[in-house]
Amino acid sequence: ILNVEQSPQSLHVQEGDSTNFTCSFPSSNFYALHWYRWETAKSPEALFVMTLNGDEKKKGRISATLNTKEGYSYLYIKGSQPEDSATYLCAFSNSGYALNFGKGTSLLVTP
Amino acid sequence: KAGVTQTPRYLIKTRGQQVTLSCSPISGHRSVSWYQQTPGQGLQFLFEYFSETQRNKGNFPGRFSGRQFSNSRSEMNVSTLELGDSALYLCASSFNQPGQETQYFGPGTRLLVL
Repeated sequence: ILNVEQSPQSLHVQEGDSTNFTCSFPSSNFYALHWYRWETAKSPEALFVMTLNGDEKKKGRISATLNTKEGYSYLYIKGSQPEDSATYLCAFSNSGYALNFGKGTSLLVTP
Repeated sequence: KAGVTQTPRYLIKTRGQQVTLSCSPISGHRSVSWYQQTPGQGLQFLFEYFSETQRNKGNFPGRFSGRQFSNSRSEMNVSTLELGDSALYLCASSFNQPGQETQYFGPGTRLLVL
């Protein structure tokens, strides 16, 4: 079982605040790191798939960085909006065929 | 393009029964993965199928099984249901290698075992 840790477990911010979450994963046998957003009553939605050390990805106000040597990834949200409220999941793959998910960070953005 | 579909969406069973869940991937996707989510746990990987072959399996008892058909549709079966099997079961599809590619998730089947 591959241990994928996410912190914090939950976060409550005001609209307009910027925030970031951390995902820690085993630094050996790295294949890929995924980030997903999961809104209540919807399906998980892919944000990023990162495969190279030093990767930086951006999608609108959301960006992510990857450090495979030390085994962590950061997800940043700039100027949080209420519609950003969701659970953010990271998942680590060491085989190409399976994803090991963390328990997620639950974000609540209030107006 | 139609998304990943799962049927049924909700299911109530009693202990000892068996259940079959179905997943239809996005057209052209040949890999289907199954996950279980229980309260307080992250998504737990069950198994992954590609071209009707199971390529990888998670740490679940043999009561959990699956298969994939030639049209890439997949089913998972849970026999001798236990209360702890109550969970949300999600399937996800991708073209080839789910570890390296974006996975597209279905809406899930919520199973309640009484």
